[in-house]
Amino acid sequence: NAGVTQTPKFRILKIGQSMTLQCTQDMNHNYMYWYRQDPGMGLKLIYYSVGAGITDKGEVPNGYNVSRSTTEDFPLRLELAAPSQTSVYFCASSYSTESNQPQHFGDGTRLSIL
Amino acid sequence: GENVEQHPSTLSVQEGDSAVIKCTYSDSASNYFPWYKQELGKRPQLIIDIRSNVGEKKDQRIAVTLNKTAKHFSLHITETQPEDSAVYFCAASRGGSTLGRLYFGRGTQLTVWP
Repeated sequence: NAGVTQTPKFRILKIGQSMTLQCTQDMNHNYMYWYRQDPGMGLKLIYYSVGAGITDKGEVPNGYNVSRSTTEDFPLRLELAAPSQTSVYFCASSYSTESNQPQHFGDGTRLSIL
Repeated sequence: GENVEQHPSTLSVQEGDSAVIKCTYSDSASNYFPWYKQELGKRPQLIIDIRSNVGEKKDQRIAVTLNKTAKHFSLHITETQPEDSAVYFCAASRGGSTLGRLYFGRGTQLTVWP
């Protein structure tokens, strides 16, 4: 199993541009999550999904959108990039027939908005 | 929502010494407490976790303790080695309707000097 795969690994955007961060997992996990990590701030939850067709907001959803059309894929969309969205983005997944199952992280996408 | 505080933010120890990182949480309904290790430029990786029905858990040189009454939990690393140098994150989750979403502390930069 590859686990959680994120693409791209690095990206530089201009203010106002849009892009999609890709995330796919091959572990048949129902739950998927998007976090952003800013220096000294830990990880903040942006959006999460409990299965195909179901998504919900986390702590910091403004400026982002997600979709979950399949179990494997959970892309994160930035519509109008802003400097405040410069961060490292991590996708994670977990398998839960109940809650509190370990989350497995991808390698991250380092995004700079200039 | 949950608030997780983590201390210290930086910790330097000599190789072979012990290291202790402490976290407090605010939501008494939280019942799952994982610890993640993140090496520079890498993904967070789960190193140990504890559930609220257990007071202590050990895995070789790593142990976690939980005090539900005081709402704090700690990571203990014994016989530290240079490869233990990394950022460590604690997290808390209440599961249930929040579907296992994690609330992270801000992280502790551990440096182990040879």
